[in-house]
Amino acid sequence: GAVVSQHPSWVICKSGTSVKIECRSLDFQATTMFWYRQFPKQSLMLMATSNEGSKATYEQGVEKDKFLINHASLTLSTLTVTSAHPEDSSFYICSARSPSGTEQYFGPGTRLTVT
Amino acid sequence: AQKITQTQPGMFVQEKEAVTLDCTYDTSDPSYGLFWYKQPSSGEMIFLIYQGSYDQQNATEGRYSLNFQKARKSANLVISASQLGDSAMYFCAMRGNDYKLSFGAGTTVTVRA
Repeated sequence: GAVVSQHPSWVICKSGTSVKIECRSLDFQATTMFWYRQFPKQSLMLMATSNEGSKATYEQGVEKDKFLINHASLTLSTLTVTSAHPEDSSFYICSARSPSGTEQYFGPGTRLTVT
Repeated sequence: AQKITQTQPGMFVQEKEAVTLDCTYDTSDPSYGLFWYKQPSSGEMIFLIYQGSYDQQNATEGRYSLNFQKARKSANLVISASQLGDSAMYFCAMRGNDYKLSFGAGTTVTVRA
């Protein structure tokens, strides 16, 4: 089946620093990837849609200058949390749209803790 | 705009019994897809079952079945013969024409031995 990886699986960083999270589709090409954020015991909230070769589309209320998304190839999208603050601590999950378009394959998630 | 509603924050079920998780939705898209995902404490999202809006038959995948009632805009998940490993959070989600997924609030299922 389709596999999506994320790296790192968890990261601790200091307030004010930037953190980059990678999302890779391992056995298929993904023209579209999605980034979600999830707080403990809450639902997944879509942050942005990442399209290969073009600018990401951000959902309302998501700061595009804070959450930089780059989809440089058909198998890799990155999310950079810039100038991280403790309130950015969360579980970040990516997904990749299947070639048929009907499904999304999810990565295992990245747990970010900002101290 | 799409909206998914899961009204059961948590449910307890006895091992080997069946449990039904409720999900209602609202959309103006004529074509859409409905999904159920399981999220254990590890955080990974595990795909369980899919129902297309034009599918005539209710979807089934092993112990999972989706009770799709289009007129009522409901897509309830039935887990039969519950196992201890079924304890997790379950999310109902809908995909619209823009291919984005909208998730419900989730239901935590605890299976008792």
